[in-house]
Amino acid sequence: DSGVTQTPKHLITATGQRVTLRCSPRSGDLSVYWYQQSLDQGLQFLIQYYNGEERAKGNILERFSAQQFPDLHSELNLSSLELGDSALYFCASSPYPGLAGVRNSYEQYFGPGTRLTVT
Amino acid sequence: GESVGLHLPTLSVQEGDNSIINCAYSNSASDYFIWYKQESGKGPQFIIDIRSNMDKRQGQRVTVLLNKTVKHLSLQIAATQPGDSAVYFCAEINLLPRSSASKIIFGSGTRLSIRP
Repeated sequence: DSGVTQTPKHLITATGQRVTLRCSPRSGDLSVYWYQQSLDQGLQFLIQYYNGEERAKGNILERFSAQQFPDLHSELNLSSLELGDSALYFCASSPYPGLAGVRNSYEQYFGPGTRLTVT
Repeated sequence: GESVGLHLPTLSVQEGDNSIINCAYSNSASDYFIWYKQESGKGPQFIIDIRSNMDKRQGQRVTVLLNKTVKHLSLQIAATQPGDSAVYFCAEINLLPRSSASKIIFGSGTRLSIRP
């Protein structure tokens, strides 16, 4: 158990809908990362937050958005869902700035993931 | 659990032997490199990272080697155990800390299979 929690575990929804995925980082970790893992595209970095601020943006679609709240939990919002958005979505937390800084560790702790199925 | 990457290259190793997993990266200017392990049905697990100005870094039973000349990264696992069975991903980090453009780029992964 990494100490990172993600809800829901599974989510089935229809095309065009909007969903929110939630991540609670390990106690004290300031960084939250979001990743997408699909069979055809593998693991992709979406976005990182550090202490409430967006610090790095990867392959995140404009239909997707995220935020990190004052209590450091994070939400990933996926809208206008398409079949191709079906994937595992992982969040990871870290006590380090990661992409938000230089000369630091990229040690991260991953949650169990949310499996999104778009039908 | 779900199989990740059904068509991944597979490395089969005898239990107790050393494993060497290789990764070629694309950007000679990448700043850091990371190895992750993902067991079936679970999220990835950070193993070790190495900064681009280093050639070697050791952890517990693992060693990462970086050859910048040929843009090659390897993960060596000593005395491979059944619990090492997993998919292993490398990732490269391109840092642009004064912007939000820093990125993590993942390789496609290698499946490590342990023979008893």
